[in-house]
Amino acid sequence: GAVVSQHPSRVICKSGTSVKIECRSLDFQATTMFWYRQFPKQSLMLMATSNEGSKATYEQGVEKDKFLINHASLTLSTLTVTSAHPEDSSFYICSARSAGGIYEQYFGPGTRLTVT
Amino acid sequence: AQSVTQLGSHVSVSEGALVLLRCNYSSSVPPYLFWYVQYPNQGLQLLLKYTTGATLVKGINGFEAEFKKSETSFHLTKPSAHMSDAAEYFCAAYSSASKIIFGSGTRLSIRP
Repeated sequence: GAVVSQHPSRVICKSGTSVKIECRSLDFQATTMFWYRQFPKQSLMLMATSNEGSKATYEQGVEKDKFLINHASLTLSTLTVTSAHPEDSSFYICSARSAGGIYEQYFGPGTRLTVT
Repeated sequence: AQSVTQLGSHVSVSEGALVLLRCNYSSSVPPYLFWYVQYPNQGLQLLLKYTTGATLVKGINGFEAEFKKSETSFHLTKPSAHMSDAAEYFCAAYSSASKIIFGSGTRLSIRP
């Protein structure tokens, strides 16, 4: 089946630094990738949608200058949290959709970000 | 606004008992519906999906769900709960904006 990986699985960084999270589709080409944020015991909140080769579309209330998303290839999207603060600590999950998979997304295992 | 509602943030059943997790969706979303399971500190795994065709959908791990348009429901069931079923379950719908809308989730606990 379709596999999506994320790296790293866990990251701890100091306040004010930036951290990059990678999302890869391992066995299919992902024309669209999605980034979600999940707080403890809560549902997933869509942060942004990215299509390969174009700028990401951010959901209302998400700071695009703080959460930089790059979808440079059909198998890789990155989320960079810039000038991270403790309130950015969360579980970040990416998902990917192929050109033919109109209704289905495949989710990565998530990245736990802790900002100290 | 389009929405997915899961009734009950926490459901507890005995091992071997019937599992029923409730999900209702707003009629404004297209009837493309999903159930996902999430184990602690992991991503989401697709249990089953309804797009078209048969309204009773069978998924992995013995789960199934029935799409009822008249009730705008897509409840998830499993005849006999297993300890390994303990997890968070999310109902989701594909929106007209080409995005997946998630419900708030239901935590399923299994009593020995």
